[in-house]
Amino acid sequence: KAGVTQTPRYLIKTRGQQVTLSCSPISGHRSVSWYQQTPGQGLQFLFEYFSETQRNKGNFPGRFSGRQFSNSRSEMNVSTLELGDSALYLCASSLFTLAGPNNEQFFGPGTRLTVL
Amino acid sequence: AQSVSQHNHHVILSEAASLELGCNYSYGGTVNLFWYVQYPGQHLQLLLKYFSGDPLVKGIKGFEAEFIKSKFSFNLRKPSVQWSDTAEYFCAVSRSNDYKLSFGAGTTVTVRA
Repeated sequence: KAGVTQTPRYLIKTRGQQVTLSCSPISGHRSVSWYQQTPGQGLQFLFEYFSETQRNKGNFPGRFSGRQFSNSRSEMNVSTLELGDSALYLCASSLFTLAGPNNEQFFGPGTRLTVL
Repeated sequence: AQSVSQHNHHVILSEAASLELGCNYSYGGTVNLFWYVQYPGQHLQLLLKYFSGDPLVKGIKGFEAEFIKSKFSFNLRKPSVQWSDTAEYFCAVSRSNDYKLSFGAGTTVTVRA
């Protein structure tokens, strides 16, 4: 079974631009979560989508948004990029929503975003 | 707000030494507990998980963790480490009806040959 895939793997943008990252979950998984990983803040939860609905959102500004499609693939968008948005963005999928039992998550390799 | 604390930022060991990494969480309700590992250049992988039942959980690669509810702890152990265990280890917690996974800051483990 193929794992979680994320595209692109690396991205360089400049301040003020916007970016869209994509995540394809493991086949059959309906939950997709996004995390930001930085050396200073560690792994921080961005949001979870389940059945095309955002179930929860972390403490990030409204510039960070996402969506999920009917095939469970998810996209994350960051508008008006800032230098501090440079990070590894991880996507994780699970069979069930995070709020339920047995909510084991499988992580993708991440997208390394650099904002200049 | 729920928080997850990992006591050690960086641990350096020699091969065959025993490893114990501490993890404490602040939420008192029903929780699901995880340990993830990130090897250099690789993505996060699940080492082990606790949902319910036996509080002593065995995972992959000889790792185990013990859930002590009274201490809000989920410490990771390995009796004898190998050089290949060099990695960053993350404790993570989720709770019922909360749609997110909260991670600790991570512990970098360096095993010297």
